[in-house]
Amino acid sequence: QQQVKQSPQSLIVQKGGISIINCAYENTAFDYFPWYQQFPGKGPALLIAIRPDVSEKKEGRFTISFNKSAKQFSLHIMDSQPGDSATYFCAANFPGGYQKVTFGTGTKLQVIP
Amino acid sequence: DTAVSQTPKYLVTQMGNDKSIKCEQNLGHDTMYWYKQDSKKFLKIMFSYNNKELIINETVPNRFSPKSPDKAHLNLHINSLELGDSAVYFCASSQMNTEAFFGQGTRLTVV
Repeated sequence: QQQVKQSPQSLIVQKGGISIINCAYENTAFDYFPWYQQFPGKGPALLIAIRPDVSEKKEGRFTISFNKSAKQFSLHIMDSQPGDSATYFCAANFPGGYQKVTFGTGTKLQVIP
Repeated sequence: DTAVSQTPKYLVTQMGNDKSIKCEQNLGHDTMYWYKQDSKKFLKIMFSYNNKELIINETVPNRFSPKSPDKAHLNLHINSLELGDSAVYFCASSQMNTEAFFGQGTRLTVV
């Protein structure tokens, strides 16, 4: 059972364009929604995260939009650069206690010059 | 100074062998994890330890046995390796309710 659904599986964007990755979750008990970025041969690294009491969070060129009623959240990468080419994972955590992260299936982003 | 380090980075072994992967974190985190990433890049949690105690065991075959000698170390021992065990294994650590920090991964290939 996939509790966090992510789309698209792959994405090709031209340099300077906007990359958009979407995620939908099922369990309303989730209360923390991080996005991870993974380069080939490396481990995932936190990019940006949001809690459900906020509808948007922006850090530099990266923005998370969160729609609690629709149980959806998305990552927008503005002015996409070739260095942004990586696999992106959305994730969701349960509240309190020990973290059990449920990951989306990943989106491979390629930014072409 | 690497925050979460795991060794080895690559591991090639024959079916039926037993192997171990070691992980250490210097972040002072209480919780450590093992994740498995398959060929389709899907990340699945295997185990979680908090202060040396097993918290999460996600229906992993009992050929996989984690061991946490102290809260900074979480090792993974795998007995009787099978072809299907080939994957990238990531160690990670976190404090409660915050993001996880991942190691660089161990690519295990069973031949």
